[in-house]
Amino acid sequence: AQSVTQLGSHVSVSEGALVLLRCNYSSSVPPYLFWYVQYPNQGLQLLLKYTSAATLVKGINGFEAEFKKSETSFHLTKPSAHMSDAAEYFCAVSEDSGYALNFGKGTSLLVTP
Amino acid sequence: GAVVSQHPSRVICKSGTSVKIECRSLDFQATTMFWYRQFPKQSLMLMATSNEGSKATYEQGVEKDKFLINHASLTLSTLTVTSAHPEDSSFYICSARDRSLGGPVGPLHFGNGTRLTVT
Repeated sequence: AQSVTQLGSHVSVSEGALVLLRCNYSSSVPPYLFWYVQYPNQGLQLLLKYTSAATLVKGINGFEAEFKKSETSFHLTKPSAHMSDAAEYFCAVSEDSGYALNFGKGTSLLVTP
Repeated sequence: GAVVSQHPSRVICKSGTSVKIECRSLDFQATTMFWYRQFPKQSLMLMATSNEGSKATYEQGVEKDKFLINHASLTLSTLTVTSAHPEDSSFYICSARDRSLGGPVGPLHFGNGTRLTVT
């Protein structure tokens, strides 16, 4: 089964600083990878997805992620954090059958002034 | 853009009662919908896959008689928590895939979730 591991359950950055949220995947076949953001008591919003095209994927709100097969990683970055980026971030991988997503445990991003 | 409407957003019920949660795709048809459960400060755990016109496929450890799923149309799936207990209190989120865009890379749209509290 495919799975993802998010390193760091909590990440704190200063406003304007680089955001780096780590995600490593495990898959026996080329994976489809996703990053979602969740605000309190809300559903999930897709930030970006990797679908075996370009390895550097640009998403919404200035986020991007790079697929590195050699490192089995799909880390999420943003050059300059904004206060509104504070939220829970989930990395996910799709399964072959049924196309449901398997989510990582999430990383809570705190942005300090 | 595509929207998935989930209702209600919050519900409080007493132990032993049943609660129905609706998930509707508003501007697209969804052959498949997924139901997730999220405990506080934790990830989303897939409960079941709901296929229009057929029985849902439940993940291991999920009681199908307790969590009844009905996907009666291409735009509506319901999750009924039967004989609810306090341990069923959780955040339930549905998601739907636009059937016009097949494969795992087709957009997967999420509802805003339902906060269930069983007293």
